[in-house]
Amino acid sequence: AQSVTQPDIHITVSEGASLELRCNYSYGATPYLFWYVQSPGQGLQLLLKYFSGDTLVQGIKGFEAEFKRSQSSFNLRKPSVHWSDAAEYFCAVGAPGAGSYQLTFGKGTKLSVIP
Amino acid sequence: KAGVTQTPRYLIKTRGQQVTLSCSPISGHRSVSWYQQTPGQGLQFLFEYFSETQRNKGNFPGRFSGRQFSNSRSEMNVSTLELGDSALYLCASSFREYEQFFGPGTRLTVL
Repeated sequence: AQSVTQPDIHITVSEGASLELRCNYSYGATPYLFWYVQSPGQGLQLLLKYFSGDTLVQGIKGFEAEFKRSQSSFNLRKPSVHWSDAAEYFCAVGAPGAGSYQLTFGKGTKLSVIP
Repeated sequence: KAGVTQTPRYLIKTRGQQVTLSCSPISGHRSVSWYQQTPGQGLQFLFEYFSETQRNKGNFPGRFSGRQFSNSRSEMNVSTLELGDSALYLCASSFREYEQFFGPGTRLTVL
């Protein structure tokens, strides 16, 4: 079974600073990879996804993520954080060919932004 | 296109009662998945329905059940509620493989 680890529970950055949120997964092959964002009291919004091909993927709101097979990682980055990016971020994996669209989520990283 | 809608948004029940939550997927989406989100356990997969058939089920007791109708709308039911069932219940619909779109959730509080 697949699993996802987000090592950082809470990260605080200053507005305008760069951001990197870490995600490591465990799966026997290359999974489908996702980053979602959740604002308080809201559902999850898809930021970006990786299925195959180019290992650097671009998403919405200026986010990008890089898939590194050798490190089983899919870290999320943003060059300059805005106050509105404060939210909780979830990394998720899906198992291709499993016959179900089930996603396995990490525990999330809460991002705080200092003005 | 309208997004995923969930009703009700908030619900307060007492232990032992049962509850039914509803989810309307994005038009054209045939897959509906349900997740439970709690501070302690995070996001956990409950079950997935595709064209009215349950394709997969997470590790939850039989008190948790669901169904999907021919118009892809889905309901989940929790019987004999326990305090630990207090959570945000999220529904997600999907058109193509694994790209899931989430609703705002139903916040269930069990007293």
